[in-house]
Amino acid sequence: EDKVVQSPLSLVVHEGDTVTLNCSYEVTNFRSLLWYKQEKKAPTFLFMLTSSGIEKKSGRLSSILDKKELSSILNITATQTGDSAIYLCAVEAGTASKLTFGTGTRLQVTL
Amino acid sequence: EAGVAQSPRYKIIEKRQSVAFWCNPISGHATLYWYQQILGQGPKLLIQFQNNGVVDDSQLPKDRFSAERLKGVDSTLKIQPAKLEDSAVYLCASSPRRGGPLHFGNGTRLTVT
Repeated sequence: EDKVVQSPLSLVVHEGDTVTLNCSYEVTNFRSLLWYKQEKKAPTFLFMLTSSGIEKKSGRLSSILDKKELSSILNITATQTGDSAIYLCAVEAGTASKLTFGTGTRLQVTL
Repeated sequence: EAGVAQSPRYKIIEKRQSVAFWCNPISGHATLYWYQQILGQGPKLLIQFQNNGVVDDSQLPKDRFSAERLKGVDSTLKIQPAKLEDSAVYLCASSPRRGGPLHFGNGTRLTVT
């Protein structure tokens, strides 16, 4: 069974801090790893990482895939209160391209 | 482009009752997913459709849950009879093809009392 584990489960930081969220996986026939941000409603897509694209950056957010260690990190620099959310890691695997999610990391950014 | 539409937004039922959720994916998206998200957990895949065929339903509790996607567009998910542990947010998502970023609807929050 495919498995995705995220750490930490929750995190409280002050505005302006830099945070690193972790995701590790055990899947059969890895295809890609995706990061989503979930506020009160639907998860919204942040990044997709594959064997041919192991590093992505958008503004203050960046992510790296380590295929050797079967893991990924999501970095957020100069955090803002608007970054408060649950960050979900998901791994796509198998012939059906099934997407398995981790439990998520709840980030709270305080003033 | 219009997003994934789901209804109802909220539903409260008693255990042993039945309930149905509806999803309209983004136009042209061939793949449709139903996920169950229990409070404090990540989304869990219940069923994945490719057009109107089932690709994966290995985690769907088939004794009480059923889903269909007639004509490869809209989809309904039904629970009959509901149990307390079915209380969750049911998320529908779609994508143009298998894999890649999913586009999620706002979900239906189900409370079973």
